Amino acid sequence: KQEVTQIPAALSVPEGENLVLNCSFTDSAIYNLQWFRQDPGKGLTSLLLIQSSQREQTSGRLNASLDKSSGRSTLYIAASQPGDSATYLCAVRLRGSARQLTFGSGTQLTVLP
Amino acid sequence: GAVVSQHPSRVICKSGTSVKIECRSLDFQATTMFWYRQFPKQSLMLMATSNEGSKATYEQGVEKDKFLINHASLTLSTLTVTSAHPEDSSFYICTPGGADYGYTFGSGTRLTVV
Repeated sequence: KQEVTQIPAALSVPEGENLVLNCSFTDSAIYNLQWFRQDPGKGLTSLLLIQSSQREQTSGRLNASLDKSSGRSTLYIAASQPGDSATYLCAVRLRGSARQLTFGSGTQLTVLP
Repeated sequence: GAVVSQHPSRVICKSGTSVKIECRSLDFQATTMFWYRQFPKQSLMLMATSNEGSKATYEQGVEKDKFLINHASLTLSTLTVTSAHPEDSSFYICTPGGADYGYTFGSGTRLTVV
């Protein structure tokens, strides 16, 4: 059974800092991995999707890497802003799982002005 | 991109009543809809998968008689929480299955049972 772990559970940084969020998964037979942002009481916003054949994806100040063999992914946020404050979730899709996602427990990020 | 409309966004109901949550695919047809729930400070957990024209499949530990799922058309899937209790208070969210055109989620429903 796939398990997804995110460390740290919570993180507080001053504005302007670069930061890294970590995600690990136990079954490397993934189809893809996705990072989401969730604001309190709201739905999910997809940030980056990395296919199993890719090693990284970039969007603006965000960069996500994937090391399938070690079962790890990182989300790098450059020059953090208070508006980045949210919970960040990673989710993996196993091969043949018809889009069922296994989510990590999330990292709650607070960027202090 | 694909859009899923989920309603209501928030609902407060009394214990023992039933609540229906709808997810509509606005610009595509969804033969499958995944329903997740999220308890406070926990991650999203898959509850069940609805399939158009057939019975839903439920994850282990999810009561099928309590969480009624209907997928009567290719654009509408509903989740009805029957005889709701305070422990059913949670955040419910849907996402369609099907073609790999990218993931889209409903906006979620915050259910509070008092």
